[in-house]
Amino acid sequence: KAGVTQTPRYLIKTRGQQVTLSCSPISGHRSVSWYQQTPGQGLQFLFEYFSETQRNKGNFPGRFSGRQFSNSRSEMNVSTLELGDSALYLCASSPGLAGQDTQYFGPGTRLTVL
Amino acid sequence: DQQVKQNSPSLSVQEGRISILNCDYTNSMFDYFLWYKKYPAEGPTFLISISSIKDKNEDGRFTVFLNKSAKHLSLHIVPSQPGDSAVYFCAAKAAGNKLTFGGGTRVLVKP
Repeated sequence: KAGVTQTPRYLIKTRGQQVTLSCSPISGHRSVSWYQQTPGQGLQFLFEYFSETQRNKGNFPGRFSGRQFSNSRSEMNVSTLELGDSALYLCASSPGLAGQDTQYFGPGTRLTVL
Repeated sequence: DQQVKQNSPSLSVQEGRISILNCDYTNSMFDYFLWYKKYPAEGPTFLISISSIKDKNEDGRFTVFLNKSAKHLSLHIVPSQPGDSAVYFCAAKAAGNKLTFGGGTRVLVKP
């Protein structure tokens, strides 16, 4: 089975721009979660999508948004980029079942905001 | 409020010996715990997990122990190999699919 894929792998943007990141989950997985990793804050949960609906949300401003398509692929959008948004953005997929639902991560998208 | 803590930022161990990584949590609603291994600029790789109804889970060289009363879990790697050198994260979840991560422990296995 192919793993989680994320595109692009690297991205450079300037302050004020917006960016869209893409994630394709493992085949059959219906849940896609997004995380941000920074040296200062570590790995932090952004949000989770399941069956095209946002099911859980972390403590990030509204500039961070996402969506999920009928084939479970997901996109994350960040508007009005700030320098502090520079981070590794990770997508994880899982079957989406209750209880012991293990998330598998993609390679990440490294976003640099100049 | 850091709900999951890995108090040792780094660990150095000789090849062939045991590596023990520790993790403490505060949220008693956590019911599923996972360990991930991560190399720089890559996504975390799932290693092993444990449900709160168990106190031990084993998979090859990896064993995870859970002490619910102490809100503590540990990962044992035996024997340690140079390829195990990486950053290890423990993570926990309650209801829902939000993982809360510890800060990570960098492991260096010396040949």
